[in-house]
Formats: sequence, C-alpha cells, structure tokens
Amino acid sequence: KQEVTQIPAALSVPEGENLVLNCSFTDSAIYNLQWFRQDPGKGLTSLLLIQSSQREQTSGRLNASLDKSSGRSTLYIAASQPGDSATYLCAVTGSSYKLIFGSGTRLLVRP
Amino acid sequence: NAGVTQTPKFQVLKTGQSMTLQCAQDMNHNSMYWYRQDPGMGLRLIYYSASEGTTDKGEVPNGYNVSRLNKREFSLRLESAAPSQTSVYFCASSQDWEEKLFFGSGTQLSVL
Repeated sequence: KQEVTQIPAALSVPEGENLVLNCSFTDSAIYNLQWFRQDPGKGLTSLLLIQSSQREQTSGRLNASLDKSSGRSTLYIAASQPGDSATYLCAVTGSSYKLIFGSGTRLLVRP
Repeated sequence: NAGVTQTPKFQVLKTGQSMTLQCAQDMNHNSMYWYRQDPGMGLRLIYYSASEGTTDKGEVPNGYNVSRLNKREFSLRLESAAPSQTSVYFCASSQDWEEKLFFGSGTQLSVL
C-alpha cells in the first residue's frame, strides 16, 4: 500500500530564506507527483505536477524535483515571502489511478 | 470561469439525518472526486468517477453514496449521518485521472 510522508510537519523561516520541503513515498511505481498549496479554510491549489519520466518542474520561485528510485520529491521555494505561508501537500498517483496525499508541511514565513 | 463549485459551504446535521453535497465543474473535465480531510489523517478519497457514467470506491466509501449526474455534476450523499463523518469535504476534478487536480473550496460538515 502506497504511503506518503512529509517531514517536517511544520516549518518557520524568516522572510527571504530559501527553503526545501520534503516528500517521500513507499512505492516507486507512480505515474506522477503533484505539489499542492492549501490556505486556511480553503481548497487545494495545484502548484506543480511532475510526470514519472521527469526529474523536475519549475514555476516562478518554485522548483520541484522527483527521484523515483529513492521514493523522494522536494519542493524548493526561493526567496520566501510572507505570502508563501500555507500548508504544502504532496500527492502521488500510483498504479490504482488514485492520488495518495501526504499530511502536509505547515509553512510560516516571518516578516 | 468558476472552476469547481461546491455547495453548501457549511452544514450541521443531527445523527441519522441525510444530506447531499453538490459539486459542479465548468472545465469539461472527465474525472471527478470526493475527498474528506481530517486533522492528522490528510486527505482521503471517498469515491471517484473516472468518466461520465462510472463511479468507483476510494479508500473510505462506507456510509456514502455518489451520483455522476452528468459530465459537470458529481454529488455525494450521506444517507444516515454519523459523528464520525464530521469532516471537511472537498470535490475535485481533472481532465483525466493522471492530470492536474482542481479543487473546490470545501464543505465543513458537523454531525452532532
């Protein structure tokens, strides 16, 4: 059974810092991996989707990498801003065609 | 472009009552999903519809039923609500099962 883990559960950094969020998964037979952002009381917004054949995807200050063989993905946020404060979730689409989510990392960027 | 619209946003039920959560998407997506989100449990898939006319169980289907009314609409029904169904419910859609997922804003449900 696929399990997705995100460590740490919470992270607090000063504004301007570059940071890395981690995601690991137990079954490397995935079709893709998505990173989402969730603001309090809101739905999830897809940030980046990495296909299993890709190693990374970039969007603005965000860069997501994927290492299928080791079951790991990272989300790199450059020059963090207070507006980046949110919960970040990763999810993998596996052989059952359904997304399995991690529990998320709650990020606080302090001004 | 509204995206994925869920109603209602909040609901309080008594144990044993029934209700239907509505979801509609205007992106002409084939696949639609219902998730629940609970503290410490993350998001768990209740039911999904890979395409119009099909529905399948997810991780936690017990106590729920779904209807894919047409390509746009996918409803979730609680026939006899239980306190364990207190949660935040999200509807989502994607062009196909392996594509980017778009979420609604959620329904906060409390069952007393």
